[in-house]
Amino acid sequence: DAGVTQSPTHLIKTRGQQVTLRCSPKSGHDTVSWYQQALGQGPQFIFQYYEEEERQRGNFPDRFSGHQFPNYSSELNVNALLLGDSALYLCASSLGGPRAGAFFGQGTRLTVV
Amino acid sequence: SQQGEEDPQALSIQEGENATMNCSYKTSINNLQWYRQNSGRGLVHLILIRSNEREKHSGRLRVTLDTSKKSSSLLITASRAADTASYFCATDSGAGSYQLTFGKGTKLSVIP
Repeated sequence: DAGVTQSPTHLIKTRGQQVTLRCSPKSGHDTVSWYQQALGQGPQFIFQYYEEEERQRGNFPDRFSGHQFPNYSSELNVNALLLGDSALYLCASSLGGPRAGAFFGQGTRLTVV
Repeated sequence: SQQGEEDPQALSIQEGENATMNCSYKTSINNLQWYRQNSGRGLVHLILIRSNEREKHSGRLRVTLDTSKKSSSLLITASRAADTASYFCATDSGAGSYQLTFGKGTKLSVIP
């Protein structure tokens, strides 16, 4: 079981550009959540996808969007990147929601310059 | 927004000693979970305690929950150098919410 896999591991983008991050959930999991973790902070919930739809969204602007595919994998897109978007982006998968705990990927370290 | 606040922010102990971390939260919860994060990478789920439970054990981990005080503690007994990591509490508020709300974490250093 490969667990949760995220790609790429590291990414450097220029302010104003767009970025797409990818996540494959743990086998058997149908729910994918995305979190942003700034340096020295705890993860902040961006949104959750279930049955290919955004089920819940955190306090993030519309520049952050996502998608879930029929195989449950997911993408996080961020448009018009700001320096403040530099962070570790974590994908978490679970079965139906976080009630029993979530499995996290290793994250994508995004640096905006 | 951060739901939980861990205390202390940083903790340094000798190998073999016990480490205790505390977490306070603001709203009612369905359950509270503890996660470990090594060197700014992915989080690993350690233990979950439901709102109707007061104490739970898993190996060298002991978690307590006091819903009247909206607080939880994580005890790691007989610490090892490999326990060096950041520890986060996360709350699941239930009530139609699907997100986990994390605190800022406690950075634990175990000195060999």
